[in-house]
Amino acid sequence: SQKIEQNSEALNIQEGKTATLTCNYTNYSPAYLQWYRQDPGRGPVFLLLIRENEKEKRKERLKVTFDTTLKQSLFHITASQPADSATYLCALQAGTALIFGKGTTLSVSS
Amino acid sequence: GAGVSQSPRYKVTKRGQDVALRCDPISGHVSLYWYRQALGQGPEFLTYFNYEAQQDKSGLPNDRFSAERPEGSISTLTIQRTEQRDSAMYRCASSFPGLAGGETQYFGPGTRLLVL
Repeated sequence: SQKIEQNSEALNIQEGKTATLTCNYTNYSPAYLQWYRQDPGRGPVFLLLIRENEKEKRKERLKVTFDTTLKQSLFHITASQPADSATYLCALQAGTALIFGKGTTLSVSS
Repeated sequence: GAGVSQSPRYKVTKRGQDVALRCDPISGHVSLYWYRQALGQGPEFLTYFNYEAQQDKSGLPNDRFSAERPEGSISTLTIQRTEQRDSAMYRCASSFPGLAGGETQYFGPGTRLLVL
């Protein structure tokens, strides 16, 4: 069956460090993958999209990699801040649907 | 302009009642999606509209769930004969097709449904 796994349910790091979140998938061949941020009580907010022919994408302190051989995406936040604390969701397009992982809740302590 | 809006924000109903949840997408957005999100989980796809056409309803759990978007704008998700297991956050998202594919979805605040 098709599956998306975000390996850590929770990740705690200190301010200033780099947070690395992992998204693995099986039985998909997605053309692209998206990362969303979700704060408590709110809907997901789009952060980055990376296509299968792109190895890496950057936006300010965010970096996403996409390895279609390993079937894995890594999401990095450099120089993390307490304001980065949230749940981060990866999502794959499967036909017309976006299939989401469970999310990883990041806590950045000062 | 305004983002995606949903109403009501909270709905408490008794088992067996019908409920209708409304989504008002961003103006001009062609695509509209309904998701259900349980606590601690990512959104789970329910159904997709392209303009007024329901092009994918593979995620609807059973025939008590239905959705419509008659004029290609506002959409309604209806749950008939609600059951306690229907309690969840129901989210709507809209998007405008990108030229190169890969549509960014803009999510609404959700409707929290509680079935007693």
